[in-house]
Parts: sequence; structure tokens; C-alpha cells
Amino acid sequence: GAGVSQSPRYKVAKRGQDVALRCDPISGHVSLFWYQQALGQGPEFLTYFQNEAQLDKSGLPSDRFFAERPEGSVSTLKIQRTQQEDSAVYLCASSQPAGRSNQPQHFGDGTRLSIL
Amino acid sequence: GENVEQHPSTLSVQEGDSAVIKCTYSDSASNYFPWYKQELGKGPQLIIDIRSNVGEKKDQRIAVTLNKTAKHFSLHITETQPEDSAVYFCAASPDSNYQLIWGAGTKLIIKP
Repeated sequence: GAGVSQSPRYKVAKRGQDVALRCDPISGHVSLFWYQQALGQGPEFLTYFQNEAQLDKSGLPSDRFFAERPEGSVSTLKIQRTQQEDSAVYLCASSQPAGRSNQPQHFGDGTRLSIL
Repeated sequence: GENVEQHPSTLSVQEGDSAVIKCTYSDSASNYFPWYKQELGKGPQLIIDIRSNVGEKKDQRIAVTLNKTAKHFSLHITETQPEDSAVYFCAASPDSNYQLIWGAGTKLIIKP
């Protein structure tokens, strides 16, 4: 079946612009995670949804970062007034088909964001 | 909070030889330890995972060992092949349905 899909794959924006990154999780997956991966480093947690509820946003680096999942499926990560330090790959992962526990996280190929 | 350290940062082995990557973690509450393989321009792909109620798990050429007392776990790849070349990440978490804390990655190079 289809995996996690992220769009766009690449995004270039000027400093100060707003951007929106989209994640389509695996159909039926309850849990959705966003991670940020700087070049040459491991991913770092940003935020977590269970269905439409944002249960953990402790990893969001500033109030310029906002995520939503209004219908419990597609999620959008929005970054306002982008800064150069926001340049990174943004990864989305989903897991937990309804009614099943202890399932691993499956990742999309990410959106590479470059801020000029 | 949890901290995961991974070694080595780069590992070069001859094709057909074995490769071992090691990770340590700090939080005794961690019970779930996945390993991911990431190729250039792709997202991380789960290759194997282990939970704290077992000490070892094997899947064909790949095995993972866990020592909860010492708080370390290792990835073993036998009979390495060129397609094993990639960056490998370990991670730790209290549960698979929880944020993963990642190591810094190991670039594995398989020499023909």
C-alpha cells in the first residue's frame, strides 16, 4: 500500500516568508509525528498527534512553528516569518493502525526547506 | 531527558565482512529501540527494532542486541553488500508510539 507522502519535496523561501509543509500519513494510522533533521544529524522531535489531537508540541522551537491535523488524517506544519536556521529536512512519520499497539513509525521522504 | 550516543560516526568495511554499530542511552525508562537506514534524499526506513523484554533479535543478515543493565544496544550486519551502504540511526523511546530520541548516525561504507 501507499506509504507516508510529503509535499513539496523541496521548498525554497526567502527569509521572512511563511511556508506550509504537508504530510499524508498511511491510511488509517492514528499517530502522526513531525521531526526536523539538520544536515548530517539525526532527526529531532517537533510534535505529535493522536487523531486530530495535538498531544505533544514540546519540540517546536518557537511560536513561529504551528502544526495541525484538523480531520485526523492529513497534517500541515506551518512556519511563519522563516529564518535561515529553519533550513532543514522536515520528516513526517505515522504509526498505530487503529486497534493495534506497539507499531513502529513509518517515515516519508521529507521536505527539504532552504531559507535564503 | 533521554540522550542517545552512537559510534562510530563513519564505518568502512570490506564487502562480505561484518559491521557493528553501537549506541548507548541514558534514560532507564526507555523500552523501545529501533534502527533505521537512511539513503541519500530518502526518509529513514526501519530495518529492525527491539523491546526491553528481549536481549537479542535477528532478521536474516541483521541482528540487534540489547543490554538494559549497561544501557547499550548494538546493530550487527553480517555478509555486508554494496546496497548496505547508507547512514544508520539508532533511537530510543519509552514506547514506539512516543517521540523517538535519535543518535547522530553512522555512515556505513561498503568497499568492493
